[in-house]
Amino acid sequence: SQELEQSPQSLIVQEGKNLTINCTSSKTLYGLYWYKQKYGEGLIFLMMLQKGGEEKSHEKITAKLDEKKQQSSLHITASQPSHAGIYLCGAGSLYNQGGKLIFGQGTELSVKP
Amino acid sequence: ETGVTQSPTHLIKTRGQQVTLRCSSQSGHNTVSWYQQALGQGPQFIFQYYREEENGRGNFPPRFSGLQFPNYSSELNVNALELDDSALYLCASSGGTDFGYTFGSGTRLTVV
Repeated sequence: SQELEQSPQSLIVQEGKNLTINCTSSKTLYGLYWYKQKYGEGLIFLMMLQKGGEEKSHEKITAKLDEKKQQSSLHITASQPSHAGIYLCGAGSLYNQGGKLIFGQGTELSVKP
Repeated sequence: ETGVTQSPTHLIKTRGQQVTLRCSSQSGHNTVSWYQQALGQGPQFIFQYYREEENGRGNFPPRFSGLQFPNYSSELNVNALELDDSALYLCASSGGTDFGYTFGSGTRLTVV
C-alpha cells in the first residue's frame, strides 16, 4: 500500500524566513493534495497538484510535484504567524472519485514573531 | 455553495457505549468519506459512501459502520466504544467536477 513520509516532522522558524516541507511517496504519485490544519480542527484545502512538474502558488505558498522523485514540496516565502499550523499532504487517485486519500503524518509549523 | 458540516463538535462517551456522528455533504458532491485522526498523526481512512453504498473501507473493525442518505449526508456509528477510539473524526465530501475533497471541522470524541 502507498505510504507518505513528511519531513521535517516539526519546524520552528522566525517570522519572515522561508521554509520548505517535503512529502515523499513510496509509490508513484498521480495526484497530491496539500492541506493545513489548526490544532484539533478540520483540514483547510491549500492546493491540488495533478501532473508531474506542476507548480501552483497561492499568496506566499508554492507547491511542486516531482513525479520522478515521487515527491512534492511546499514552500512558504516570508513566513508569518498566520502560517503556523499542521501541514498535511494527501495522495489519491484524481481519476477515481471513489478513491481514498492517504495522508502523511503531518508537519507542525511554528512561526516566532 | 455550502461547505461540509459535522455534528456534534465535541462528545464524551463511556467505554462500551455507542455513538453516532453526522456529516453533511458539500453541494455538488455525491461521495462522503470518514477519517479518524489520533493526536499527532495524519488522518486514517475509515470508509467511503457513494450512492448510499459503502465503497471502500480501511483497516477498521465492523463496529465502525455508516450510512449515506439520499441527500448525500452521512452518519458514522461506532459501537462498543474503546478508549483508543478517542480521536478527531473528520468527514470529507467529494465527487464534484473539481476532483477536490472538502473536509468538515471534525468531531472530537473522548472515550472515558
